[in-house]
Amino acid sequence: GAGVSQSPSNKVTEKGKDVELRCDPISGHTALYWYRQRLGQGLEFLIYFQGNSAPDKSGLPSDRFSAERTGESVSTLTIQRTQQEDSAVYLCASSSQGALYGYTFGSGTRLTVV
Amino acid sequence: ELKVEQNPLFLSMQEGKNYTIYCNYSTTSDRLYWYRQDPGKSLESLFVLLSNGAVKQEGRLMASLDTKARLSTLHITAAVHDLSATYFCAVDRNSGNTPLVFGKGTRLSVIA
Repeated sequence: GAGVSQSPSNKVTEKGKDVELRCDPISGHTALYWYRQRLGQGLEFLIYFQGNSAPDKSGLPSDRFSAERTGESVSTLTIQRTQQEDSAVYLCASSSQGALYGYTFGSGTRLTVV
Repeated sequence: ELKVEQNPLFLSMQEGKNYTIYCNYSTTSDRLYWYRQDPGKSLESLFVLLSNGAVKQEGRLMASLDTKARLSTLHITAAVHDLSATYFCAVDRNSGNTPLVFGKGTRLSVIA
């Protein structure tokens, strides 16, 4: 597609429920990244997929967080048993191999846990 | 571990004035990126700096990179209200093989 597409754009969920966030990267971009941005804060790295290599999960804050990617296509970030501290904007980005020109970001999913 | 520090974190400046935002990082890197984020929006790429001494300019913004000093600057000339946003620098520590590390952002407010 023309840009990185994320859905839903907003999600309100009850504490303890599971949520799935979706990211559709730019066609042909081999690398895909998930970041979290809490209100008024910087970007916190979560997970990185590059082609068929094993993902870099070093940023996932707990085992309640997981992500999958189908080939070089769509990715889903799953948060199980959501907590209020999970409330944030979840940003997805993609890049070509080597990321020479940086990343293209999606519009984000704003997650609110009540 | 790569650390990226921006300063100032908050900046209020008058229209027409000049100012510089600084981005320091802790380990060797030849690639640095600047992004802009408007409130409630995603990040938009501003500049890509890929070598020591690189300088890029777009309108009233100019970015530079000094890899020896591990420092990038974003200079604002004759600020206008439309430049009000949060500006992030991000550093690539391993030629695209590891995720970008972002600074905390500089929230710029340009006032009349």
